[in-house]
Amino acid sequence: NAGVTQTPKFQVLKTGQSMTLQCAQDMNHEYMSWYRQDPGMGLRLIHYSVGAGITDQGEVPNGYNVSRSTTEDFPLRLLSAAPSQTSVYFCASSYAGTGAINEQFFGPGTRLTVL
Amino acid sequence: GNSVTQMEGPVTLSEEAFLTINCTYTATGYPSLFWYVQYPGEGLQLLLKATKADDKGSNKGFEATYRKETTSFHLEKGSVQVSDSAVYFCALSAPALTFGSGTRLQVQP
Repeated sequence: NAGVTQTPKFQVLKTGQSMTLQCAQDMNHEYMSWYRQDPGMGLRLIHYSVGAGITDQGEVPNGYNVSRSTTEDFPLRLLSAAPSQTSVYFCASSYAGTGAINEQFFGPGTRLTVL
Repeated sequence: GNSVTQMEGPVTLSEEAFLTINCTYTATGYPSLFWYVQYPGEGLQLLLKATKADDKGSNKGFEATYRKETTSFHLEKGSVQVSDSAVYFCALSAPALTFGSGTRLQVQP
């Protein structure tokens, strides 16, 4: 199994450009999520999905869109990049049992710089 | 809302020293608690977890006990190694993960 994969690993954008960060998992996990990691702030949840066709907002959703058309893929879209979106982005997945969530598996991250 | 507070770093220790990284949480209900570790240039890896009160999670010599009465989940290791140098994150799930800000551990030979 490849686990959770993310592309690209690095990206530089200009303010106002759009792009999509790709995330895929081959573990048949129902639950997928996107986090951003900023210095001194830990990881903050952007959006998450509990299954194909179902998405919801996390702590910091503004400026980002997601969709979940398949179980495997959960892309994150930046419609108009801003310097405040400079960060490292992590995708994660897990089984979605009842009650507390199971172990989340993280991708290697995408380092995004917006100029 | 849910929140996780962990001690600020960096924590600098000599090899074979005892490690404690404090973590306290605020949450409704009964969340599961986790410690994740992030080595330089890598993503997060689950280190250990505990799903109910008084559970003890353990892995690679690290331990943490779910203390509901003090809402804490402190990470401990009896003898750290240089290879333990990393950033450690405490987190709770309800169901999405809420992370603490991370504690950088530096172990010197």
